[in-house]
Amino acid sequence: QPQLQESGPGLVKPSETLSLTCTVSGDSVSSSSYYWGWIRQPPGKGLEWIGTVYYTGSAYYNPSLKSRVSISVDRSKNQFSLKLNSLTAADTAVYYCARTRQVPKYFYMDVWGKGTTVTVSS
Amino acid sequence: QSVLTQPPSASGTPGQRVTISCSGSSSNIGSHTVSWYQQLPGTAPKLLIYSNDQWPSGVPDRFSGSKSGTSASLAISGLQSEDEADYYCATWDDSLNGWVFGGGTKLTVL
Repeated sequence: QPQLQESGPGLVKPSETLSLTCTVSGDSVSSSSYYWGWIRQPPGKGLEWIGTVYYTGSAYYNPSLKSRVSISVDRSKNQFSLKLNSLTAADTAVYYCARTRQVPKYFYMDVWGKGTTVTVSS
Repeated sequence: QSVLTQPPSASGTPGQRVTISCSGSSSNIGSHTVSWYQQLPGTAPKLLIYSNDQWPSGVPDRFSGSKSGTSASLAISGLQSEDEADYYCATWDDSLNGWVFGGGTKLTVL
């Protein structure tokens, strides 16, 4: 059974850059069947898709975050990473990574990490 | 404001059948399959239904999904106390070229 684990700082200062990593076990980020994605959830609010990346490095981003976000994949470490810059308090959230299927007839996120809480505060 | 529209809350008594709706448009639900997620308090979301009406392994068939046009629904029959959670619908949106989620529905078991 594949597992995903997020890691990164829990506290980041405003205007700085957030860097999170998702380590995949029991599957390979080099798989041609899946994309690998990031989703966040502000306190007391719903889920917001941040972006997804394919093993080739091709990525899709939420248009509302596109100017500030970058997602990459490291096949040698079986990891994928999120970078979000110019942080504000509105970026405070639980950040989840997820294995994603996004091909015609199959759009779903079937394996999720447990999430990591990120607080933006000075 | 979410691209997909869900009622903010729903409720039912044990044993009842509850339905949660998810309304979208031709660029999302009208063009692609819908998935549903259950988020128990303090935990990560869990895939409940994919491809409109398919169950991942381990999900009880008390949960069922359907889609018609630009709307989708999640039905929970034989409601149990452990079903109390937030439920989200999601799909791909061609206009945004990305994933969209519903705002979530908080299910209360009375």
